[in-house]
Amino acid sequence: DAGITQSPRYKITETGRQVTLMCHQTWSHSYMFWYRQDLGHGLRLIYYSAAADITDKGEVPDGYVVSRSKTENFPLTLESATRSQTSVYFCASWGQRNSPLHFGNGTRLTVT
Amino acid sequence: AQSVTQPDIHITVSEGASLELRCNYSYGATPYLFWYVQSPGQGLQLLLKYFSGDTLVQGIKGFEAEFKRSQSSFNLRKPSVHWSDAAEYFCAVVPKFGNEKLTFGTGTRLTIIP
Repeated sequence: DAGITQSPRYKITETGRQVTLMCHQTWSHSYMFWYRQDLGHGLRLIYYSAAADITDKGEVPDGYVVSRSKTENFPLTLESATRSQTSVYFCASWGQRNSPLHFGNGTRLTVT
Repeated sequence: AQSVTQPDIHITVSEGASLELRCNYSYGATPYLFWYVQSPGQGLQLLLKYFSGDTLVQGIKGFEAEFKRSQSSFNLRKPSVHWSDAAEYFCAVVPKFGNEKLTFGTGTRLTIIP
């Protein structure tokens, strides 16, 4: 099915562990984004990518790593998870700026 | 600094009543403007967008929004809300030129009462 898929939908991990959230899109969109959503903060941009092998920091990049070796995939890694990274994470893709952003259904991450 | 403001954190309206959600932006030039809706446990769905031209834009689910350059606003409206409109609404902007970062407001939670 065409679209943008995030996995897993739910994840519980312990403080200090490494965890990777996956994002896959089938449109061959150039741009991909990772946002986190927290109560009172709306959606905050973590990292984004304009194309394969091109990534850039967003508003809240500390503690996160991204890679984009293929256009369709944009994994987000928490190198050493902290409780403050408990959040809902959304991946999105974008063909061009005068078109809407397409969102995945999110990953709810709990760090204990 | 570029910013998007949604001044109302939570709004409650009666079913059948009219609705207006506010969005103000601060950018050097008119950006592209979007409204998204998020139902509980779901991702974000595009309601409508403004790029240029007619300042009153129509979206899905009976929503519309009006761009007012003089007020740097892009308020979302609906003449008569339905219980299914209860959700969180986000205004978002991206500059037409320069960096490609889409910036979201903090959202407005809409509650519908019978």
